[in-house]
Amino acid sequence: QSALTQPASVSGSPGQSITISCTGTSSDVGSYNLVSWYQQHPGKAPKLMIYEVSKRPSGVSNRFSGSKSGNTASLTISGLQAEDEADYYCCSYAGSSTFPYVFGTGTKVTVL
Amino acid sequence: EVQLVESGGGLVKPGGSLRLSCAASGFTFSSYSMNWVRQAPGKGLEWVSSISSSSSYIYYADSVKGRFTISRDNAKNSLYLQMNSLRAEDTAVYYCASLFRYSIFYWGQGTLVTVSS
Repeated sequence: QSALTQPASVSGSPGQSITISCTGTSSDVGSYNLVSWYQQHPGKAPKLMIYEVSKRPSGVSNRFSGSKSGNTASLTISGLQAEDEADYYCCSYAGSSTFPYVFGTGTKVTVL
Repeated sequence: EVQLVESGGGLVKPGGSLRLSCAASGFTFSSYSMNWVRQAPGKGLEWVSSISSSSSYIYYADSVKGRFTISRDNAKNSLYLQMNSLRAEDTAVYYCASLFRYSIFYWGQGTLVTVSS
């Protein structure tokens, strides 16, 4: 199963909004509203930021939002802050016929 | 508080074996699918293996199929990964992860596996 495609890097200034794309296929992102997003700071375990395309777990800032259109999901960070600088990974359910989950390639977010 | 604590990582020679363990607490372990996710140094996340709550459904990434075996003991709130025929490319931090609503809500701190002669 091929990894979902994300841009290698995205940057923005404090206070700005940025959007990270996550492109899959009609077999994964396009077929299920089961895309999740994870934030990972260096040397730390990933943290769930968004699940089921657009839902935020308890405790996650409402500056983080998710959406999906066709085979592409997106994560938007509004009001960018220094602590948002991290790696971000998308993940999609891909059905149970083969391996059910696939991660994205990852995006490094830099706060300028 | 949910806790997932991995153990068993270390240095092993190519072709060798290692068994990872994950001790879970703070939630009803037997009700949730459990997973191993790894991250090679400087690389992205890779979903390695998944096991359903009752062990009825088990999945492996193609990269580890036939070499790794996932298992769980619900009575002990524990998850395992038996890794055989290890290769240099298996070098990674291995995370134990619990699945809820098709997403990983909880992650362990990770355990480093290094395959080198």
